[in-house]
Amino acid sequence: QKEVEQNSGPLSVPEGAIASLNCTYSDRVSQSFFWYRQYSGKSPELIMSIYSNGDKEDGRFTAQLNKASQYVSLLIRDSQPSDSATYLCAVNGADSNYQLIWGAGTKLIIKP
Amino acid sequence: DTAVSQTPKYLVTQMGNDKSIKCEQNLGHDTMYWYKQDSKKFLKIMFSYNNKELIINETVPNRFSPKSPDKAHLNLHINSLELGDSAVYFCASTAGTGGYNEQFFGPGTRLTVL
Repeated sequence: QKEVEQNSGPLSVPEGAIASLNCTYSDRVSQSFFWYRQYSGKSPELIMSIYSNGDKEDGRFTAQLNKASQYVSLLIRDSQPSDSATYLCAVNGADSNYQLIWGAGTKLIIKP
Repeated sequence: DTAVSQTPKYLVTQMGNDKSIKCEQNLGHDTMYWYKQDSKKFLKIMFSYNNKELIINETVPNRFSPKSPDKAHLNLHINSLELGDSAVYFCASTAGTGGYNEQFFGPGTRLTVL
């Protein structure tokens, strides 16, 4: 069974520090990787997508993908209290063009 | 200019009732989804339609029946509601196939079965 694993947290990070969120996946042929942010009581919001090995930066966010080790991570630089949320990792498999496999999410708390 | 909208936002009902949730997207996307998120916050795929055709039909009770009148709309009808159906139901859409297309979510419908 294809799985996506995340540490449920909560992960507590001081304001201004770097928050590092990790995700591992079991389907070796996965091609697309997504990070979503979900505030309490709200819907998931896409913040990053990555398809190739290496780093992808967007503002304070950097997604890192290592297909050989089957992990994807999200770094948040200069963490702000507004970054406090649950971060969901989602992965699609090569045999399911439509379906994403979701992790259970990591709850991130940024302490002022 | 809402991209993916759902109605109603909240739904409180008694066990045994039948209810529907509606979803509309104005993004021009071909594929739409229904997800269930329970109290443990895990997102579980239920159904997906591509151009009005059912393409994902996960193991859910047959009391749940999706319907897509056109590619911009995906509705969910639930018969004989049970306590365990209480959850937040999200609609989502994506531009197409290939797995390279991000999914965009509606605001959710919080269903409470009493």
